[in-house]
Amino acid sequence: GAVVSQHPSRVICKSGTSVKIECRSLDFQATTMFWYRQFPKKSLMLMATSNEGSKATYEQGVEKDKFLINHASLTLSTLTVTSAHPEDSSFYICSARGGQWGTQYFGPGTRLTVL
Amino acid sequence: AQKITQTQPGMFVQEKEAVTLDCTYDTSDPSYGLFWYKQPSSGEMIFLIYQGSYDQQNATEGRYSLNFQKARKSANLVISASQLGDSAMYFCAMRESTNFGNEKLTFGTGTRLTIIP
Repeated sequence: GAVVSQHPSRVICKSGTSVKIECRSLDFQATTMFWYRQFPKKSLMLMATSNEGSKATYEQGVEKDKFLINHASLTLSTLTVTSAHPEDSSFYICSARGGQWGTQYFGPGTRLTVL
Repeated sequence: AQKITQTQPGMFVQEKEAVTLDCTYDTSDPSYGLFWYKQPSSGEMIFLIYQGSYDQQNATEGRYSLNFQKARKSANLVISASQLGDSAMYFCAMRESTNFGNEKLTFGTGTRLTIIP
């Protein structure tokens, strides 16, 4: 149980285009999902907390208009990187909160490369 | 100020030996949770074990156990009888409440564990 999928696993795009990443909880409902960014050999950095049916809460320094988050259902949250630039290249990983301790279960991650 | 500290950037351990990964934390919240995650080279984060701040006993989950010393604010992960498949990055994380009424995880910098055959 507690499986989270993420799609796509890898994406390469041109500078200026927008990229959408989907995060789904497959066998449980998640009112809260999280989006992280991870640079090579670094720890996870929380970007935003996504609550179903309400606006996402962004961490300090994360641009709301650049990283659009939508949590339209209890099993799906999306992150759209708008007008992507090479500095947005990174590993993006989502998680969904569930289980008895409010454990965050993570998706497999999406590696974004912006040319 | 760093809230989760993992002082071992890398460790090399012989197969079948036990290994302890260190984690210390800092919080003024009386209610918190501590988690350990494993991140293999493939990138996914795998939940290993959880310890609640009010739990009286140390958490155990198969070969994983958590040495929770509340007064010292430490939550070390112990892996018994290490296997080659244990080679990965290990992250300690603490769950705290935020000003917005949410909860969030704060991660340590991680320890890269390499099991030597």
